[in-house]
Amino acid sequence: DAGVTQSPTHLIKTRGQQVTLRCSPISGHKSVSWYQQVLGQGPQFIFQYYEKEERGRGNFPDRFSARQFPNYSSELNVNALLLGDSALYLCASSLGAKGKEFISPQHFGDGTRLSIL
Amino acid sequence: AQRVTQPEKLLSVFKGAPVELKCNYSYSGSPELFWYVQYSRQRLQLLLRHISRESIKGFTADLNKGETSFHLKKPFAQEEDSAMYYCALGIKYGQNFVFGPGTRLSVLP
Repeated sequence: DAGVTQSPTHLIKTRGQQVTLRCSPISGHKSVSWYQQVLGQGPQFIFQYYEKEERGRGNFPDRFSARQFPNYSSELNVNALLLGDSALYLCASSLGAKGKEFISPQHFGDGTRLSIL
Repeated sequence: AQRVTQPEKLLSVFKGAPVELKCNYSYSGSPELFWYVQYSRQRLQLLLRHISRESIKGFTADLNKGETSFHLKKPFAQEEDSAMYYCALGIKYGQNFVFGPGTRLSVLP
């Protein structure tokens, strides 16, 4: 198993453009989470999806959206890009859990580095 | 609001010395705490979690609810321990993870 895979690896966009980032989870994992990591800071939670439903949303504007497909892969979309959106975007997958039995650890991909000019 | 703090941005120790990376959290519910590590040119990976009460690569961490801390410790640091360490708080409802800013550990020969 290759682990969590993300594409593309690097992306350069200009202000106002839109971007779509993709993530394939580890086989068997039903939960996908997205994080933004700005240089010098820890990952900041954006979204979590479990069984194709949004389970959590961080403090990000509506320009950020995501979805999860029947095969559990996921896309993160960012509209009207701003300079401040330049960051490493991390995807993580986990077994997930319905209810409150446990929190399964996150397994991270290598990330997509997004640069806004 | 949920928050994780790691007071040291950089921690340098000599090989064989004890090391302690500090982590404090604020959360009104029942916390689940994790330590993640990122070695040079590698992806972020789970090091250990408090409910497992295990020792990974010689590292241990004890959850102290009274002090709201989850410090990572190792009695004898090795050069291969040099990496970026992140403390993370798992929140059950919403399956959210809150990460600290990270501490870069440098183990000197």
